Amino acid sequence: DAGVTQSPTHLIKTRGQQVTLRCSPISGHKSVSWYQQVLGQGPQFIFQYYEKEERGRGNFPDRFSARQFPNYSSELNVNALLLGDSALYLCASSHYDVDTEAFFGQGTRLTVV
Amino acid sequence: SQQGEEDPQALSIQEGENATMNCSYKTSINNLQWYRQNSGRGLVHLILIRSNEREKHSGRLRVTLDTSKKSSSLLITASRAADTASYFCATDDNQGGKLIFGQGTELSVKP
Repeated sequence: DAGVTQSPTHLIKTRGQQVTLRCSPISGHKSVSWYQQVLGQGPQFIFQYYEKEERGRGNFPDRFSARQFPNYSSELNVNALLLGDSALYLCASSHYDVDTEAFFGQGTRLTVV
Repeated sequence: SQQGEEDPQALSIQEGENATMNCSYKTSINNLQWYRQNSGRGLVHLILIRSNEREKHSGRLRVTLDTSKKSSSLLITASRAADTASYFCATDDNQGGKLIFGQGTELSVKP
């Protein structure tokens, strides 16, 4: 079975631009979460979606938004990019919304110049 | 904010030795998960231990959990050069499904 897939793997954007990152969960998993990992730090929670509803949001500005589609894939959008948004963006897939193993994709490396 | 703190921040050992990493956290949890990350790539899920479990094994990995001390340890036995990576603990703090990560332990296994 395919694991969690994310696209693209790398991306370079200019300050002020907008970006969309994509994630396909493991087949049968209904929950997708997004995390941001800056160099030298552990991942920070951005969003969780379960059954297409937002279940949680981390301490990120409104420039960050996400959605989950009927096939449980998900997109993360970031508007008005700042240099500080440069990071590895990780998507996690899990079967349930709470108390469950979370499996991560390879991430999207976003560089804002 | 970071919930967990891993200790040590960096660990260097020889192949064949055992590696022990510790994780402390602040609030009550549903479970604690350990992950491995190679060179800034994705996280590989290693093991999940629930709050009512004290010890769990998976191959060369042994994880313990002490909820009274709010701490966990990951032991890798007979380490290999391929175990070189960053290791993170993550807690599910019973406030939805989000995981809260520590800053990780960077393990270097020298051949």
